[in-house]
Amino acid sequence: QKEVEQDPGPLSVPEGAIVSLNCTYSNSAFQYFMWYRQYSRKGPELLMYTYSSGNKEDGRFTAQVDKSSKYISLFIRDSQPSDSATYLCAMLKAQGGSEKLVFGKGTKLTVNP
Amino acid sequence: GAVVSQHPSWVICKSGTSVKIECRSLDFQATTMFWYRQFPKQSLMLMATSNEGSKATYEQGVEKDKFLINHASLTLSTLTVTSAHPEDSSFYICSARVTSGRAYNEQFFGPGTRLTVL
Repeated sequence: QKEVEQDPGPLSVPEGAIVSLNCTYSNSAFQYFMWYRQYSRKGPELLMYTYSSGNKEDGRFTAQVDKSSKYISLFIRDSQPSDSATYLCAMLKAQGGSEKLVFGKGTKLTVNP
Repeated sequence: GAVVSQHPSWVICKSGTSVKIECRSLDFQATTMFWYRQFPKQSLMLMATSNEGSKATYEQGVEKDKFLINHASLTLSTLTVTSAHPEDSSFYICSARVTSGRAYNEQFFGPGTRLTVL
């Protein structure tokens, strides 16, 4: 079983829709939970990160973590065509004095005008 | 702020040659940089952690003699793919970690380097 599982989609929604992206994980050692956005042939850009279970909101984006279920979500409200990208979940764990980010496969999202 | 650049953005080389990829933090110093590899429709996989002034730490399964990492300054890390083969063709992305004093020190990613080995 992979440490982080993410449905790769693709996901296609109309403009204005609410988008729900999800990841599950198996390793209880993960301390931080992130969502990155990656445009084609570009590096990932951090959208949000959370530490504890619960919700964190930033504009149209809400990140949700449920540690008991080992499940994280990203919600995008009023989705826009400019939100079209691949969304990667990532989780951070301490490793040998350093740290390691473990990424999901990413979900490709297309928001249609 | 917190911009990371990579050079080149893409490279095509013949099998058996070596390719060097540079990763620079443009407006901050990074004692730690990371190198990732991303195959099509796959997740980013950490290859190695690069520490300024010391040897890199490689992930299990990554050949350190094939992927040479040098972190000679606080703003530059290089990855050299030695004797490249077609199976090394991939998207290589670096990141640099900002030490901010906050609980989470964010990694900022470069734009990536597309390597194609013929």
